[in-house]
Amino acid sequence: AQTVTQSQPEMSVQEAETVTLSCTYDTSESNYYLFWYKQPPSRQMILVIRQEAYKQQNATENRFSVNFQKAAKSFSLKISDSQLGDTAMYFCAFRVYNFNKFYFGSGTKLNVKP
Amino acid sequence: ETGVTQTPRHLVMGMTNKKSLKCEQHLGHNAMYWYKQSAKKPLELMFVYNFKEQTENNSVPSRFSPECPNSSHLFLHLHTLQPEDSALYLCASSDGGYNEQFFGPGTRLTVL
Repeated sequence: AQTVTQSQPEMSVQEAETVTLSCTYDTSESNYYLFWYKQPPSRQMILVIRQEAYKQQNATENRFSVNFQKAAKSFSLKISDSQLGDTAMYFCAFRVYNFNKFYFGSGTKLNVKP
Repeated sequence: ETGVTQTPRHLVMGMTNKKSLKCEQHLGHNAMYWYKQSAKKPLELMFVYNFKEQTENNSVPSRFSPECPNSSHLFLHLHTLQPEDSALYLCASSDGGYNEQFFGPGTRLTVL
């Protein structure tokens, strides 16, 4: 069975600072993909960043980067230079290659303070 | 229209009503999903369709009835719902392999 755990229900960060959101997962599969999604208040869920499990290099997208530790089954999201628009729920998700099923964590509510 | 669209965006219904939620994806994907998102609870997968065939039913009560006439359209038919069914219902789509899901804006359902 595949599981995704986000142990931080809620976090706060000051504008312009850096914050790291944690995610761990469990799987016996070797070929899978990991995602971070963002859901702003009353707005659509969108993809922030993705990571292929076979790639050792950590993915980056502008101010967003991940720390992927395959052996530890850890996939954290780092947001640099936090902005007010980063205030949202963040979900970590996992997909086994070629399977139409995504496993989501329970989410972390991030509040960026001015 | 682009991406994944859902109608209506808001719906208020009584427990004896029958209503339907509609989802349409314009991305050429083969898989479509229904999720329920309640306050203070994790995202709950309800149904998965792949090329119009249902591949996952996550023990959803029969008062929720999905329909997928083709790979671009997905419906959720609702009847005799309960107040605890009030939630945000999200539709998503994906292609095969390894890519991410794309989500619609959701339907905010309130059952009185």
